[in-house]
Amino acid sequence: DTEVTQTPKHLVMGMTNKKSLKCEQHMGHRAMYWYKQKAKKPPELMFVYSYEKLSINESVPSRFSPECPNSSLLNLHLHALQPEDSALYLCASSQNLLSGNTIYFGEGSWLTVV
Amino acid sequence: AQKVTQAQTEISVVEKEDVTLDCVYETRDTTYYLFWYKQPPSGELVFLIRRNSFDEQNEISGRYSWNFQKSTSSFNFTITASQVVDSAVYFCALHTGTASKLTFGTGTRLQVML
Repeated sequence: DTEVTQTPKHLVMGMTNKKSLKCEQHMGHRAMYWYKQKAKKPPELMFVYSYEKLSINESVPSRFSPECPNSSLLNLHLHALQPEDSALYLCASSQNLLSGNTIYFGEGSWLTVV
Repeated sequence: AQKVTQAQTEISVVEKEDVTLDCVYETRDTTYYLFWYKQPPSGELVFLIRRNSFDEQNEISGRYSWNFQKSTSSFNFTITASQVVDSAVYFCALHTGTASKLTFGTGTRLQVML
């Protein structure tokens, strides 16, 4: 079983809704990530947090707002999304940002925007 | 720039056949790390193996084996005696010191049939 836990597993939201995706890890990792994955494509990096500070934002639209309340939690707040934002959203963590560290992924949240 | 190529889009085999998934990478860095992940239909990206650029020793883990050859910039993955549960998309990925993120290949979908 994965040690990165994501909720909810499935989410359907309207374009005017506000919702959040949640991620939790208890491996003591200090780097956490959000990836977006469209069907039949590899994951694409969205955000990286290192020691609870935003380290990388891959030019993601502002309708996606990440938050890292503490070293174990990572949220992704969603507002005014478009149907093309429907995708699998994967949370991940690693010990830190050094390149040799393995990145461990959660089970993902399947998002559908209607 | 970093690049990972998985030329095989989709592979179908009959159970108990051996199958090799190809991965070719490009990087100018001398220190780098290569990964294989498995993604079953449920969505979770499952970490399988990590190999650093200074360790060309091939590895066997149960029915899985990996062949890393720096001379050809390849990191191939073989499943021996495939099983239906091996059906998934397999991603090869590269992480270097100069890049701040994993570079994924496009993935190979493996279908193991009875």
